[in-house]
Amino acid sequence: DAMVIQNPRYQVTQFGKPVTLSCSQTLNHNVMYWYQQKSSQAPKLLFHYYDKDFNNEADTPDNFQSRRPNTSFCFLDIRSPGLGDAAMYLCATSSSSRARAYEQYFGPGTRLTVT
Amino acid sequence: GQSLEQPSEVTAVEGAIVQINCTYQTSGFYGLSWYQQHDGGAPTFLSYNALDGLEETGRFSSFLSRSDSYGYLLLQELQMKDSASYFCAVRDLGDSGNTPLVFGKGTRLSVIA
Repeated sequence: DAMVIQNPRYQVTQFGKPVTLSCSQTLNHNVMYWYQQKSSQAPKLLFHYYDKDFNNEADTPDNFQSRRPNTSFCFLDIRSPGLGDAAMYLCATSSSSRARAYEQYFGPGTRLTVT
Repeated sequence: GQSLEQPSEVTAVEGAIVQINCTYQTSGFYGLSWYQQHDGGAPTFLSYNALDGLEETGRFSSFLSRSDSYGYLLLQELQMKDSASYFCAVRDLGDSGNTPLVFGKGTRLSVIA
């Protein structure tokens, strides 16, 4: 089945130690997103890629960066994680087709713990 | 900018009908989506309304009134497995593939026996 895969599902890192979260998709979607979701809150968009065109949300901290080396893969790098960065990180994809762009497909998420 | 308002919590009895409302304020409007998220899980797409009226998908229906900037998700014949958070989301910056969703804060639905 076509899907969005995130690895690892659980990640523990130390305060200030860089960490990379990965996402891959078999849906061949042009658009990929990274969201941060804290407990009982809505997903908060960090970045999105439209093909290779990178779009950074204005309030995304500089500590967060992303790479998309090809259509299938996308990475979230947290350069110096703080305790406040502990959250669920969700990767999502969508078609660039105007008719289907409203439907996003989410991966299972990576739960990040910062110690 | 944009803002979406939905109730934070709703409780309903198994077998009943529940309506989750969403009002929005956006600079533009290109459709209202609904997503379901179970605890510890990822959001999953439920429905989308671009035009006024009711869209039905099995036990779930979604309604939109563009003139009132209002929509709702209707869940019928509630089951325990429907206990989850429900998010409304809008696209307000355009109708291309490069306009991400903005999510409401979510409504926590608890279905009780």
